[in-house]
Amino acid sequence: AQSVTQLDSHVSVSEGTPVLLRCNYSSSYSPSLFWYVQHPNKGLQLLLKYTSAATLVKGINGFEAEFKKSETSFHLTKPSAHMSDAAEYFCVVSDGTASKLTFGTGTRLQVTL
Amino acid sequence: SQTIHQWPATLVQPVGSPLSLECTVEGTSNPNLYWYRQAAGRGLQLLFYSVGIGQISSEVPQNLSASRPQDRQFILSSKKLLLSDSGFYLCAWSMYGGFNQPQHFGDGTRLSIL
Repeated sequence: AQSVTQLDSHVSVSEGTPVLLRCNYSSSYSPSLFWYVQHPNKGLQLLLKYTSAATLVKGINGFEAEFKKSETSFHLTKPSAHMSDAAEYFCVVSDGTASKLTFGTGTRLQVTL
Repeated sequence: SQTIHQWPATLVQPVGSPLSLECTVEGTSNPNLYWYRQAAGRGLQLLFYSVGIGQISSEVPQNLSASRPQDRQFILSSKKLLLSDSGFYLCAWSMYGGFNQPQHFGDGTRLSIL
C-alpha cells in the first residue's frame, strides 16, 4: 500500500522568502506523485505532477518539486513567496487502481508581510 | 477544455432530511468520477468512485449513497442526514484508465446539518 507523510502541518514564511513544504512517500512500485493547493472554501487545484519522467517537475505559479527516490521524498519549493500563496497544500500519491489517490494530511502555508 | 460543476455551493439541512448533491463534467467522455468529504481541519476522505455508468464503488460504510445515471453525471444522496454528515463535499474526475492521471476537483459543497 502507498502512503504520504507531510512533515509539517503548518509553515510560516515572510513574503519574498523561499518556500519549502516537505513530503515523504511510501510505495511498493514506481509512484505517480502530485501536489495540490486548496484555498479556503475552494476545491483542490493541481500544482504539478511527477509521472516517472524528469525528476525536477515545474508547476504553476512558480512552484516546483523534486522527486528523490533514494530519500523517498517529493518536496515542494518556490523561490519567493507571495501573499496569494497562503493556502493548504496536499501531497498525493497514486495507487494505480482506477486512479485512486492517497492524500497527505496537508500543510497550511502562512505568508506574512 | 474540461470543466467540472458542483452544486449547490452551500447547503443547510436539518437532521433526518434527505440530500442530493450533483456533479457534472464537460469536455471529456467516460471519466472516472469521485466523491470526497473533507471534515474541518482534516484531510480528504474518499467516499465513492465510479469508472462507468451504473458502476459505483463505496469506500466507507455510511448512510450516503452515490449514483451515476449518465456518463458525466455523479450524484451523492442520503435518505436521512446525520449530524456527522456535516462537511465539505468535493467531486472530482480523472481520465478513464490512466495510471498516471491526476484528479480535477470541483469547487465543493459546504454542507451544514442542524
